[in-house]
Amino acid sequence: EDQVTQSPEALRLQEGESSSLNCSYTVSGLRGLFWYRQDPGKGPEFLFTLYSAGEEKEKERLKATLTKKESFLHITAPKPEDSATYLCAVQAGASEKLVFGKGTKLTVNP
Amino acid sequence: DAEITQSPRHKITETGRQVTLACHQTWNHNNMFWYRQDLGHGLRLIHYSYGVQDTNKGEVSDGYSVSRSNTEDLPLTLESAASSQTSVYFCASSDNGGGYTFGSGTRLTVV
Repeated sequence: EDQVTQSPEALRLQEGESSSLNCSYTVSGLRGLFWYRQDPGKGPEFLFTLYSAGEEKEKERLKATLTKKESFLHITAPKPEDSATYLCAVQAGASEKLVFGKGTKLTVNP
Repeated sequence: DAEITQSPRHKITETGRQVTLACHQTWNHNNMFWYRQDLGHGLRLIHYSYGVQDTNKGEVSDGYSVSRSNTEDLPLTLESAASSQTSVYFCASSDNGGGYTFGSGTRLTVV
């Protein structure tokens, strides 16, 4: 059974304090690993897709990386508007389904 | 612009009633999904469809049903609402091999 574990569950940072969120996964035949951002009361919003180990993608203060067992979402010099829950999901085999982790709630204090 | 819309945004219903949540997408995506999101559980798959007349059960499908009569719509029906089905429900759609585009969610309360 495909499994996705995110850590930590919650993270508090001061503005400008860089950190990383972790997503570890156990799947058979990874096709893609997805990162989403979710704000309170809204649906998840797509950030990145990573397809193979060693791949990296960047968007503003966020950089996602992928290894054979885990992915990291690095946040550089975060701002209060980066506060949200970040979700990781995997797609495996021939399935179009995404299996989600429980998310990391990030709070950035000014 | 293409979009995916869910209705209603909020719904309160009584135990035992049948409830239908609507999901409509104009992306022309073949794949559509229904998830529920609960504290401590994250997003869990209820039902999904890979095209017209195709429906499949997800990990938490008991008490729910879907039908797919066209590309744009995948309504979710709760046959007899239970308090355990109080949750936030998200609909999503995708192209093959792609990530999801999510709707804004429906908050359902069963009293």
